[in-house]
Amino acid sequence: GAGVSQSPSNKVTEKGKDVELRCDPISGHTALYWYRQRLGQGLEFLIYFQGNSAPDKSGLPSDRFSAERTGESVSTLTIQRTQQEDSAVYLCASSLGQGLQETQYFGPGTRLLVL
Amino acid sequence: DQQVKQNSPSLSVQEGRISILNCDYTNSMFDYFLWYKKYPAEGPTFLISISSIKDKNEDGRFTVFLNKSAKHLSLHIVPSQPGDSAVYFCAASDRRSTLGRLYFGRGTQLTVWP
Repeated sequence: GAGVSQSPSNKVTEKGKDVELRCDPISGHTALYWYRQRLGQGLEFLIYFQGNSAPDKSGLPSDRFSAERTGESVSTLTIQRTQQEDSAVYLCASSLGQGLQETQYFGPGTRLLVL
Repeated sequence: DQQVKQNSPSLSVQEGRISILNCDYTNSMFDYFLWYKKYPAEGPTFLISISSIKDKNEDGRFTVFLNKSAKHLSLHIVPSQPGDSAVYFCAASDRRSTLGRLYFGRGTQLTVWP
């Protein structure tokens, strides 16, 4: 079946502009995660959605970052007034969300470059 | 503050030999550990995991060892193959308090040469 998909695959924007990144999780996966990976760094947790529960936003680096999820499907990560330090690969992952020992399946990522 | 550390940014191994990738962590509350493999321009793919109640988990050529007292885990690949060349990320979670959230190391680039 289809894996996690993300769009766009690449995004170049100017400092100060807003960007929207999209994630389509695996069908039936109730849990969805956003991470980012800056150059030379590990993956950094941003936000976690689980079903209809309130999302865990504890990883969002500033109030310029926000994310939404429509039911148990598509999620959008929005970065307002982008800064150069926002340049990174933004990765989305999903899992079944039914237990503690669950594999997170990652999408290919969106490479964001802020000029 | 990096709670999961991979201190070797790169490792080069000859085909057929053993690859050993190391990972250290600082948070004693971590109870689940995973290894992911990443090829360029792709997302990480799950490789193998281990719960803190075990000290070893094996899956084919891949074995993960966990030493809780040392807060150390390692991934052994035997025998190594050129297709194993990728970046390997160690990840950990504290499932009781931060369900699902993974903490990642910076990765180790493994190169397996013929």
